[in-house]
Amino acid sequence: QSVVTQPPSASVTPGQRVAISCSGSSSNIGSNIVNWYQQLPGTAPKLLIYANNQRPSGVPDRFSGSKSGTSASLAISGLQSEDEADYYCATWDDGLHGWVFGGGTKVTVL
Amino acid sequence: VQLVQSGAEVKKPGESLKISCKGSGYSFSGYWTVWVRQMPGKGLEWMGSIYPDNSETRYSPSFQGQVTFSADKSISTAYLQWSSLKASDTAMYYCARLSSSPPYCTTTSCPMKNHWFDPWGQGTVVTVSS
Repeated sequence: QSVVTQPPSASVTPGQRVAISCSGSSSNIGSNIVNWYQQLPGTAPKLLIYANNQRPSGVPDRFSGSKSGTSASLAISGLQSEDEADYYCATWDDGLHGWVFGGGTKVTVL
Repeated sequence: VQLVQSGAEVKKPGESLKISCKGSGYSFSGYWTVWVRQMPGKGLEWMGSIYPDNSETRYSPSFQGQVTFSADKSISTAYLQWSSLKASDTAMYYCARLSSSPPYCTTTSCPMKNHWFDPWGQGTVVTVSS
């Protein structure tokens, strides 16, 4: 059981918007940056959002991140079939002195 | 900047194993390398980190004593090692570089918490079965 919680799945029709939540506590999300990773089927994870809301070069602006209090969120607008993947949030936990990942959210494009 | 991992392994319970992660395109010894486990059909778990320049290591409590990290900075390579494999070690293992940038990391302050994993290696599948 991860200390950071994500919904296990989300299903969205092409072109729509999806928001994935990441819920934690004051020892992790509440006091540290949140990063998001995208894992396409059969591939290694890739950095999608860093430091709560920053996009690495090459990541489309359809992807956006936000953080408020002990929760963070990843939004994908104008969903495309190639966005079908697992998405993980990750942050540092001050009590565990290490990184923790959310359980991952599988996004399915209907 | 890339990390290239060694190939898939099939081992028997009780055997030892060492897998590798070779960095290129950057000063390998000056960046922490992390190891991440993904068991079949499951999520990502941080195992720990190593700083190749001085081989300083940090282990997740869940993996402390179960695995060993090492590095050879002369060949820009980090290693993950088991002395006695178990069937439950069957998983995909990824290495990644710890990255950061200002304002989260400066010459005067660069806490480990202000980092992210980028890039990632392609992963090494380890199968342990009798």
